[in-house]
Amino acid sequence: KQEVTQIPAALSVPEGENLVLNCSFTDSAIYNLQWFRQDPGKGLTSLLLIQSSQREQTSGRLNASLDKSSGRSTLYIAASQPGDSATYLCAVGRSYNTDKLIFGTGTRLQVFP
Amino acid sequence: DVKVTQSSRYLVKRTGEKVFLECVQDMDHENMFWYRQDPGLGLRLIYFSYDVKMKEKGDIPEGYSVSREKKERFSLILESASTNQTSMYLCASRSAGGPVTGELFFGEGSRLTVL
Repeated sequence: KQEVTQIPAALSVPEGENLVLNCSFTDSAIYNLQWFRQDPGKGLTSLLLIQSSQREQTSGRLNASLDKSSGRSTLYIAASQPGDSATYLCAVGRSYNTDKLIFGTGTRLQVFP
Repeated sequence: DVKVTQSSRYLVKRTGEKVFLECVQDMDHENMFWYRQDPGLGLRLIYFSYDVKMKEKGDIPEGYSVSREKKERFSLILESASTNQTSMYLCASRSAGGPVTGELFFGEGSRLTVL
Protein backbone atom coordinates (compact mmCIF):
# COMPACT_ATOMS: atom_id res chain seq x y z
CA LYS A 1 0.00 0.00 0.00
CA GLN A 2 1.39 3.37 -1.03
CA GLU A 3 2.06 5.74 1.83
CA VAL A 4 3.14 9.35 1.44
CA THR A 5 4.92 11.15 4.25
CA GLN A 6 5.86 14.80 4.57
CA ILE A 7 8.38 15.87 7.15
CA PRO A 8 8.48 18.23 8.91
CA ALA A 9 4.80 18.79 9.64
CA ALA A 10 5.49 22.46 10.34
CA LEU A 11 8.32 24.86 9.56
CA SER A 12 8.93 28.47 10.51
CA VAL A 13 11.68 30.48 8.78
CA PRO A 14 12.72 34.12 8.40
CA GLU A 15 12.08 35.89 5.14
CA GLY A 16 14.78 35.43 2.52
CA GLU A 17 15.81 31.91 3.45
CA ASN A 18 16.06 29.16 0.88
CA LEU A 19 14.21 26.11 2.09
CA VAL A 20 13.47 22.51 1.19
CA LEU A 21 10.27 20.59 1.82
CA ASN A 22 10.38 16.82 1.72
CA CYS A 23 7.98 14.20 0.43
CA SER A 24 8.62 10.46 0.78
CA PHE A 25 6.64 7.60 -0.72
CA THR A 26 6.91 3.87 -0.07
CA ASP A 27 6.17 2.45 -3.53
CA SER A 28 8.44 3.70 -6.29
CA ALA A 29 6.05 2.57 -9.06
CA ILE A 30 4.41 5.94 -9.59
CA TYR A 31 3.20 7.74 -12.70
CA ASN A 32 3.79 11.25 -11.46
CA LEU A 33 4.04 13.46 -8.43
CA GLN A 34 2.31 16.78 -7.93
CA TRP A 35 2.99 19.57 -5.44
CA PHE A 36 0.17 21.77 -4.19
CA ARG A 37 -0.20 24.80 -2.00
CA GLN A 38 -3.17 25.32 0.30
CA ASP A 39 -4.02 28.55 2.08
CA PRO A 40 -6.12 28.32 5.27
CA GLY A 41 -9.74 27.49 4.52
CA LYS A 42 -9.13 27.35 0.78
CA GLY A 43 -8.74 24.75 -1.93
CA LEU A 44 -5.48 23.42 -3.33
CA THR A 45 -3.47 25.28 -5.93
CA SER A 46 -1.28 23.21 -8.23
CA LEU A 47 2.37 24.27 -8.16
CA LEU A 48 4.32 21.67 -10.11
CA LEU A 49 3.68 18.32 -11.78
CA ILE A 50 6.61 15.94 -12.34
CA GLN A 51 6.17 12.95 -14.62
CA SER A 52 7.84 9.69 -13.60
CA SER A 53 10.30 10.05 -16.48
CA GLN A 54 11.41 13.49 -15.30
CA ARG A 55 13.93 14.43 -12.63
CA GLU A 56 12.77 17.96 -11.89
CA GLN A 57 10.45 20.81 -12.76
CA THR A 58 10.86 24.53 -12.18
CA SER A 59 8.43 27.40 -11.89
CA GLY A 60 9.74 30.77 -10.81
CA ARG A 61 11.28 30.45 -7.35
CA LEU A 62 10.08 26.86 -7.03
CA ASN A 63 11.98 23.76 -8.05
CA ALA A 64 10.72 20.23 -7.49
CA SER A 65 12.88 17.14 -7.89
CA LEU A 66 11.94 13.50 -8.09
CA ASP A 67 14.03 10.44 -7.23
CA LYS A 68 11.83 7.43 -7.79
CA SER A 69 14.40 4.86 -6.77
CA SER A 70 14.74 6.37 -3.32
CA GLY A 71 11.07 7.27 -3.02
CA ARG A 72 11.67 10.96 -2.51
CA SER A 73 10.69 14.33 -3.86
CA THR A 74 11.82 17.72 -2.65
CA LEU A 75 10.29 21.15 -3.20
CA TYR A 76 12.89 23.89 -3.10
CA ILE A 77 11.70 27.44 -2.45
CA ALA A 78 14.26 30.14 -3.14
CA ALA A 79 14.33 33.46 -1.30
CA SER A 80 11.21 32.76 0.74
CA GLN A 81 8.64 35.52 1.29
CA PRO A 82 5.82 35.97 3.83
CA GLY A 83 3.38 35.33 0.97
CA ASP A 84 4.78 31.79 0.71
CA SER A 85 3.20 30.98 4.08
CA ALA A 86 0.77 28.13 3.47
CA THR A 87 0.49 24.36 3.72
CA TYR A 88 2.32 22.45 1.01
CA LEU A 89 1.10 19.02 -0.01
CA CYS A 90 2.52 16.42 -2.33
CA ALA A 91 0.49 13.73 -4.07
CA VAL A 92 1.62 10.69 -6.03
CA GLY A 93 -0.20 9.04 -8.90
CA ARG A 94 -0.20 5.31 -8.41
CA SER A 95 0.72 3.19 -11.39
CA TYR A 96 -1.65 0.32 -10.79
CA ASN A 97 -4.70 2.51 -10.31
CA THR A 98 -3.88 5.59 -12.21
CA ASP A 99 -6.87 7.70 -11.30
CA LYS A 100 -6.26 7.86 -7.60
CA LEU A 101 -3.72 10.20 -6.12
CA ILE A 102 -2.30 9.52 -2.67
CA PHE A 103 -1.78 12.70 -0.70
CA GLY A 104 0.67 13.47 2.05
CA THR A 105 -0.62 15.31 5.11
CA GLY A 106 1.37 18.39 4.28
CA THR A 107 4.00 20.75 5.67
CA ARG A 108 2.70 23.96 7.20
CA LEU A 109 5.14 26.73 6.34
CA GLN A 110 5.33 30.10 8.02
CA VAL A 111 7.70 32.75 6.66
CA PHE A 112 8.05 35.69 9.02
CA PRO A 113 9.32 39.17 8.09
CA ASP B 1 -6.72 29.47 -16.49
CA VAL B 2 -8.70 26.47 -15.35
CA LYS B 3 -11.55 27.40 -13.08
CA VAL B 4 -13.27 24.92 -10.80
CA THR B 5 -16.18 26.50 -8.98
CA GLN B 6 -17.90 25.09 -5.95
CA SER B 7 -21.25 26.76 -5.46
CA SER B 8 -21.31 26.86 -1.68
CA ARG B 9 -18.30 27.83 0.43
CA TYR B 10 -20.03 27.29 3.77
CA LEU B 11 -23.08 25.19 4.63
CA VAL B 12 -24.75 24.32 7.91
CA LYS B 13 -27.22 21.44 7.81
CA ARG B 14 -29.09 19.33 10.31
CA THR B 15 -28.74 15.59 10.79
CA GLY B 16 -30.91 13.70 8.34
CA GLU B 17 -31.12 16.48 5.76
CA LYS B 18 -30.30 15.83 2.11
CA VAL B 19 -27.32 17.87 0.99
CA PHE B 20 -26.18 18.77 -2.52
CA LEU B 21 -22.69 20.03 -3.21
CA GLU B 22 -22.23 21.38 -6.72
CA CYS B 23 -19.04 21.69 -8.73
CA VAL B 24 -18.58 23.22 -12.19
CA GLN B 25 -15.42 23.36 -14.29
CA ASP B 26 -14.92 25.47 -17.38
CA MET B 27 -12.05 23.66 -19.15
CA ASP B 28 -13.94 20.79 -20.78
CA HIS B 29 -12.20 18.27 -18.53
CA GLU B 30 -13.39 14.70 -18.74
CA ASN B 31 -12.35 13.64 -15.25
CA MET B 32 -13.82 15.07 -12.08
CA PHE B 33 -13.29 14.15 -8.43
CA TRP B 34 -14.74 14.70 -4.96
CA TYR B 35 -12.45 14.59 -1.93
CA ARG B 36 -12.97 15.32 1.72
CA GLN B 37 -10.26 16.78 3.90
CA ASP B 38 -10.07 16.27 7.64
CA PRO B 39 -7.36 17.27 10.13
CA GLY B 40 -4.87 14.46 10.61
CA LEU B 41 -6.41 12.35 7.85
CA GLY B 42 -5.48 14.40 4.82
CA LEU B 43 -7.43 14.22 1.58
CA ARG B 44 -9.51 11.13 0.89
CA LEU B 45 -11.22 10.34 -2.41
CA ILE B 46 -14.99 9.88 -2.21
CA TYR B 47 -16.01 9.44 -5.87
CA PHE B 48 -14.67 10.22 -9.29
CA SER B 49 -16.08 10.37 -12.78
CA TYR B 50 -14.34 9.62 -16.07
CA ASP B 51 -17.02 11.18 -18.21
CA VAL B 52 -20.69 12.08 -18.34
CA LYS B 53 -22.92 9.56 -16.57
CA MET B 54 -19.88 7.56 -15.47
CA LYS B 55 -18.79 7.26 -11.86
CA GLU B 56 -16.43 5.20 -9.78
CA LYS B 57 -16.20 4.76 -6.03
CA GLY B 58 -13.18 6.13 -4.30
CA ASP B 59 -11.81 5.14 -0.94
CA ILE B 60 -14.70 6.35 1.25
CA PRO B 61 -17.97 6.31 -0.76
CA GLU B 62 -20.24 5.21 2.07
CA GLY B 63 -22.99 7.73 2.79
CA TYR B 64 -22.41 9.59 -0.47
CA SER B 65 -23.63 9.46 -4.05
CA VAL B 66 -22.77 11.52 -7.13
CA SER B 67 -24.35 12.74 -10.32
CA ARG B 68 -22.71 13.75 -13.60
CA GLU B 69 -25.42 14.64 -16.12
CA LYS B 70 -23.33 17.25 -17.93
CA LYS B 71 -19.63 17.23 -18.62
CA GLU B 72 -18.94 20.43 -16.74
CA ARG B 73 -20.90 19.60 -13.59
CA PHE B 74 -20.27 17.02 -10.89
CA SER B 75 -22.53 16.90 -7.87
CA LEU B 76 -21.95 15.23 -4.52
CA ILE B 77 -25.06 14.14 -2.65
CA LEU B 78 -25.41 13.29 1.01
CA GLU B 79 -28.71 11.42 1.15
CA SER B 80 -29.06 11.78 4.93
CA ALA B 81 -26.41 13.95 6.47
CA SER B 82 -24.72 12.79 9.66
CA THR B 83 -22.42 14.61 12.07
CA ASN B 84 -19.42 12.54 10.96
CA GLN B 85 -19.80 14.08 7.52
CA THR B 86 -18.81 17.47 8.87
CA SER B 87 -15.76 18.25 6.79
CA MET B 88 -14.15 20.30 4.03
CA TYR B 89 -15.22 18.98 0.63
CA LEU B 90 -12.98 19.59 -2.36
CA CYS B 91 -13.86 19.15 -6.01
CA ALA B 92 -11.16 18.67 -8.65
CA SER B 93 -10.94 18.17 -12.38
CA ARG B 94 -8.38 16.92 -14.88
CA SER B 95 -8.14 16.44 -18.62
CA ALA B 96 -8.51 12.93 -20.05
CA GLY B 97 -4.77 12.84 -20.66
CA GLY B 98 -5.00 11.19 -17.28
CA PRO B 99 -2.48 11.24 -14.49
CA VAL B 100 0.41 10.63 -16.86
CA THR B 101 0.04 14.10 -18.26
CA GLY B 102 -2.92 15.61 -16.51
CA GLU B 103 -2.59 18.18 -13.83
CA LEU B 104 -5.26 18.15 -11.15
CA PHE B 105 -7.08 21.43 -10.47
CA PHE B 106 -9.12 22.08 -7.35
CA GLY B 107 -12.01 24.32 -6.40
CA GLU B 108 -12.05 26.55 -3.35
CA GLY B 109 -13.74 23.99 -1.15
CA SER B 110 -17.09 23.69 0.62
CA ARG B 111 -17.02 23.57 4.39
CA LEU B 112 -20.00 21.56 5.60
CA THR B 113 -21.13 21.48 9.21
CA VAL B 114 -23.79 18.97 10.20
CA LEU B 115 -25.52 19.68 13.52
